[in-house]
Amino acid sequence: KQEVTQIPAALSVPEGENLVLNCSFTDSAIYNLQWFRQDPGKGLTSLLLIQSSQREQTSGRLNASLDKSSGRSTLYIAASQPGDSATYLCAVRSVRAGGTSYGKLTFGQGTILTVHP
Amino acid sequence: ETGVTQSPTHLIKTRGQQVTLRCSSQSGHNTVSWYQQALGQGPQFIFQYYREEENGRGNFPPRFSGLQFPNYSSELNVNALELDDSALYLCASSAGGERGYGYTFGSGTRLTVV
Repeated sequence: KQEVTQIPAALSVPEGENLVLNCSFTDSAIYNLQWFRQDPGKGLTSLLLIQSSQREQTSGRLNASLDKSSGRSTLYIAASQPGDSATYLCAVRSVRAGGTSYGKLTFGQGTILTVHP
Repeated sequence: ETGVTQSPTHLIKTRGQQVTLRCSSQSGHNTVSWYQQALGQGPQFIFQYYREEENGRGNFPPRFSGLQFPNYSSELNVNALELDDSALYLCASSAGGERGYGYTFGSGTRLTVV
């Protein structure tokens, strides 16, 4: 059974800092890993999608890395801004027994990020 | 390109009632998944539909059921509502039933059971 853990659970930083959010998963048989942002009471906004064959993806100030063999991913946010304050979720899409895609995403519990001016 | 839209945005129901939530998938997407997110938790997978067939289900009882229509929109039905069903229900769509496509999520329906 796939389990996803995110550390830290909460993080508070001053504006301008570079920061790293961590995600670990127990089963390395994955198709991809996706990072999402969630504002309070809202849906999920996809930030980055990393395929299992990739090592990293970048979008603007965001960089996500994937080490499938060790079951780890990190989301790096450069020059943080108050508008980055949100909950960040990582989710993995696992390979089902028999090698087919299950489609199911397994989520971590998220990291609550607060960037103060 | 329209995204994933869900309706209604908020809903209050009484314990024991039935509810139907609706989702329109993103244009070009043929796969729809539903998730339940309790307060302070990550989303939990309910089930997925690919080309109108259920092709995956999480640990939810049979009173959680769904449909996908030929236009790939979807419904989530919950019977005999319980207080613990109070949550944010999220719909997500993807371009394919297999492998490497990412998911696009809607804004969710906030269900409160009293």
